[in-house]
Amino acid sequence: AQSVTQLDSQVPVFEEAPVELRCNYSSSVSVYLFWYVQYPNQGLQLLLKYLSGSTLVESINGFEAEFNKSQTSFHLRKPSVHISDTAEYFCAVRVMNRDDKIIFGKGTRLHILP
Amino acid sequence: DAGVTQSPTHLIKTRGQHVTLRCSPISGHKSVSWYQQVLGQGPQFIFQYYEKEERGRGNFPDRFSARQFPNYSSELNVNALLLGDSALYLCASSWGQGPMTEAFFGQGTRLTVV
Repeated sequence: AQSVTQLDSQVPVFEEAPVELRCNYSSSVSVYLFWYVQYPNQGLQLLLKYLSGSTLVESINGFEAEFNKSQTSFHLRKPSVHISDTAEYFCAVRVMNRDDKIIFGKGTRLHILP
Repeated sequence: DAGVTQSPTHLIKTRGQHVTLRCSPISGHKSVSWYQQVLGQGPQFIFQYYEKEERGRGNFPDRFSARQFPNYSSELNVNALLLGDSALYLCASSWGQGPMTEAFFGQGTRLTVV
């Protein structure tokens, strides 16, 4: 069975400071890794994904994540955060399976301090 | 193009009642999945339908049921509502099966059971 652990439930960070949101996964089969963002009172939006190839993936708004197979991690980073990044971030895995379900972590709330 | 649309956006039900939540996928998408997001937690997989066939069911009681119609829209039904069913219910659609196909989420239906 697959599982996702997000080590921090909340991360406060000052505006323009760097941030890292941690994610570890467990799986006995190959996984595909995702980060989703949920802004207040909204649904989920895909932020970035790792399917294959380069282990470093980037989003259009400055986030990046690196797939580390040996450490079973997929941490999300941004070198300089903005107030608009205030949201909840979910790490997720998918596997090749009949039911095609997405397994989410519990989420990390990013709180930007002025 | 319209995204995934869910209705209603909010509703309040009494314990023991029945509820039906509706989801219209993005045009051309044949797969619909349902997730339950309890406050402070990540979304949990409930059902997945592809081409009107149930492909997966999460660890939810039989009070939860769903179906997909010929136009690929979907309904989630919950009988004998409990206080613990209070949550944000998310629908996701994708054009096909598998992790390579991006899942797009609706804004969700917030169900409150009193």
